[in-house]
Amino acid sequence: EVQMVESGGGLVQPGGSLRLSCAASGFMFSVYAMSWVRQAPGKGLEWVSAISGSGDTTYYADSVKGRFTISRDNSKNTLYLQMNSLRAEDTAVYFCAKGGGGDQFDNWGQGTLVTVSS
Amino acid sequence: DIQMTQSPSTLSASVGDRVTITCRASQSINSWLAWYQQKPGKAPKLLIYKASTLESGVPSRFSGSGSGTEFTLTISSLQPDDFATYYCQQYNSFSTFGGGTQVEIK
Repeated sequence: EVQMVESGGGLVQPGGSLRLSCAASGFMFSVYAMSWVRQAPGKGLEWVSAISGSGDTTYYADSVKGRFTISRDNSKNTLYLQMNSLRAEDTAVYFCAKGGGGDQFDNWGQGTLVTVSS
Repeated sequence: DIQMTQSPSTLSASVGDRVTITCRASQSINSWLAWYQQKPGKAPKLLIYKASTLESGVPSRFSGSGSGTEFTLTISSLQPDDFATYYCQQYNSFSTFGGGTQVEIK
């Protein structure tokens, strides 16, 4: 069974940093591109970033480019999102999803809430 | 960037109704479109990909059609479990979601 479990969310002040993790199991992690998708409270879905299976290629939405960094450790079946210079508008539930920027997302984690507030 | 426009944003319907949701792309995305269902506090669930291919395990009352810039999701006979929010997603160029359609009980 495919499973993805996010962690690392929490309350952070504007300008601060946070690193999210997504532990994956039940599929050949290194074969698949992975993404982060976020959802602000009461709002729709926004694709944030994607990374190839090997980790060599990364993609970012304009809203996070230069502030967020996606990475993966295939030896640990884990996806990461390093978030720096956080803003109030980054407040959202962050989901990891199986699939890249040019794929449908066929499996999702349960999400982790990031709140940026002073 | 490709923009995705969903309509309606809210839809009131009864059990047994036929429901149609439309998604329009700002430029051609061929058939690179997916539909998701999301319930409150839960992750989205993939229903349909490549515009009309039903994801494994999804009931056959869900169907998708369209290509280019106009797409539809149809629920042939609405069931109690189908009251939720539905999103389209283009993946022709990176990924963009529509604004969502909330299907509520009439």
